[in-house]
Amino acid sequence: DAMVIQNPRYQVTQFGKPVTLSCSQTLNHNVMYWYQQKSSQAPKLLFHYYDKDFNNEADTPDNFQSRRPNTSFCFLDIRSPGLGDAAMYLCATSDFPRGAETQYFGPGTRLLVL
Amino acid sequence: GQNIDQPTEMTATEGAIVQINCTYQTSGFNGLFWYQQHAGEAPTFLSYNVLDGLEEKGRFSSFLSRSKGYSYLLLKELQMKDSASYLCAVKDSNYQLIWGAGTKLIIKP
Repeated sequence: DAMVIQNPRYQVTQFGKPVTLSCSQTLNHNVMYWYQQKSSQAPKLLFHYYDKDFNNEADTPDNFQSRRPNTSFCFLDIRSPGLGDAAMYLCATSDFPRGAETQYFGPGTRLLVL
Repeated sequence: GQNIDQPTEMTATEGAIVQINCTYQTSGFNGLFWYQQHAGEAPTFLSYNVLDGLEEKGRFSSFLSRSKGYSYLLLKELQMKDSASYLCAVKDSNYQLIWGAGTKLIIKP
């Protein structure tokens, strides 16, 4: 089945220790998104890629970086995690052309910062 | 600013019908989505409305009125597994998805 996969599902890191979250997709969608979601809040878009074009949200902290080496994979790097970065990180994909552009989500990675 | 409003929490009884409302103020409109999100899991797509009216999909229906900036999600024949958060999201004129904080639906036997 075509899907969006995120690894790991749960990640524990230490304050200030870099961490990388990964996302892969078999949907062959050209747009990939990274969201941060905290409990009982709306998902917050961090950045998205349209093909290789990187789009950073204005309020995304510099601490967050992303890489998309090819269509299938996308990575979220948190260079120096703080306690406030503990959250669920959601990867999503959608397909061009613009229109419905329904976003399909992976299962998420829950990040805990100690 | 852009804003999506939906009730924080609702309670309903198994087998009953519930309507979850969503109002929005956005810069432009290119469609409205409803997603279901179980606790600790990712959102899953339920419905998409871009024209006024009712879209029915099994036990779930979604309604849109663009002139009123209003949508609702109607869930019929409620089951315990419908206990989840329901998120309303609007695509604005820049095709950015603006998310509501979600409505937590509690189903009681």
